[in-house]
Amino acid sequence: NAGVTQTPKFQVLKTGQSMTLQCAQDMNHEYMSWYRQDPGMGLRLIHYSVGAGITDQGEVPNGYNVSRSTTEDFPLRLLSAAPSQTSVYFCASRADLDYGYTFGSGTRLTVV
Amino acid sequence: GIQVEQSPPDLILQEGANSTLRCNFSDSVNNLQWFHQNPWGQLINLFYIPSGTKQNGRLSATTVATERYSLLYISSSQTTDSGVYFCAVGLKAAGNKLTFGGGTRVLVKP
Repeated sequence: NAGVTQTPKFQVLKTGQSMTLQCAQDMNHEYMSWYRQDPGMGLRLIHYSVGAGITDQGEVPNGYNVSRSTTEDFPLRLLSAAPSQTSVYFCASRADLDYGYTFGSGTRLTVV
Repeated sequence: GIQVEQSPPDLILQEGANSTLRCNFSDSVNNLQWFHQNPWGQLINLFYIPSGTKQNGRLSATTVATERYSLLYISSSQTTDSGVYFCAVGLKAAGNKLTFGGGTRVLVKP
């Protein structure tokens, strides 16, 4: 049981480049979320999904797209990277609303 | 949205000491978690505790939902307890949305 797996762990992008952060879970969880963490701050919700084919925006969705074609995978796409998107990105999942979240190990992204 | 305040913002402990971390929230919630972020950045789920009391080894937590606060107790602290402790809350009716507090940074000195 691998839990929540995020790839890559580190990434450097140039301004304007696009990329996809991968997130996969093997626990058959319906609920998945993407958060970003900026220095000295708590986590802020970017996008979330309550099941395959269903996604919605969180607190800071601008500049990011998501899709949920399978229960296992929830990729986060940066359309045109900006320095303001330099952050640590965490993916999380949970079985349902009566359980807590399990977080992945994070992706540290730097946009130059 | 829900406001979450954690106190104290910083805590320095001598190894073996006990401590209490507090999380206050501005609205009724039915989803509350405590996390530990270790020095390597990994987020560890400590407790899912929307109400009541739970214990796990040297850690325990109590949530009084009607009074809108939760407490995390660390007993006999160890250097491995260092890191940032986050409280996160939400409403089931709001689905997946967890709101995080600003965290309490804990340093345990040997």
